Amino acid sequence: KAGVTQTPRYLIKTRGQQVTLSCSPISGHRSVSWYQQTPGQGLQFLFEYFSETQRNKGNFPGRFSGRQFSNSRSEMNVSTLELGDSALYLCASRGDVSGNTIYFGEGSWLTVV
Amino acid sequence: DQQVKQNSPSLSVQEGRISILNCDYTNSMFDYFLWYKKYPAEGPTFLISISSIKDKNEDGRFTVFLNKSAKHLSLHIVPSQPGDSAVYFCASINQAGTALIFGKGTTLSVSS
Repeated sequence: KAGVTQTPRYLIKTRGQQVTLSCSPISGHRSVSWYQQTPGQGLQFLFEYFSETQRNKGNFPGRFSGRQFSNSRSEMNVSTLELGDSALYLCASRGDVSGNTIYFGEGSWLTVV
Repeated sequence: DQQVKQNSPSLSVQEGRISILNCDYTNSMFDYFLWYKKYPAEGPTFLISISSIKDKNEDGRFTVFLNKSAKHLSLHIVPSQPGDSAVYFCASINQAGTALIFGKGTTLSVSS
């Protein structure tokens, strides 16, 4: 069974640009969540989607947004990039809203210059 | 305010010995905890979990202990191996069941 797949793995963007990251959850999993990891803040929750609906959102500005498609694949978008957005962005999936084991992808490394 | 705390940023252990990683939480409503292992530039890998109805869960070399009264859990790795060297994160599922709340992590170094 394939794991959580994230693309792209590495990318470099310029301040002010926008970026879209993609995530394909484990086959059959309908819940997808996104996390940001930075050296200073650790792993922080961005948002979770289940059946194309955002169920919860972390404490991030509106520049961070996401969506989920009918096939459970998800994208997150960051607009007007800032240097501080440089981070590892992790996607995670689980089978359903009551499933407690959450599996992570390899992450997308974003560098903003 | 950190709800999940890993107060030891690093731990060094010799191969073959026991590694004990500690985690404290502040919210008594938390009822499910997970441990993840992470290498640099990779996603966290799920190791083991425990529900608050248990006080111990074991999986091979990994055992997690939960002390609800102290709001404390620990991960024991026995015997430790050099390949265990990584950052270990303790996490709890939030009350809504929608997100993981992570500790800052503990870097484990196992020397041969």
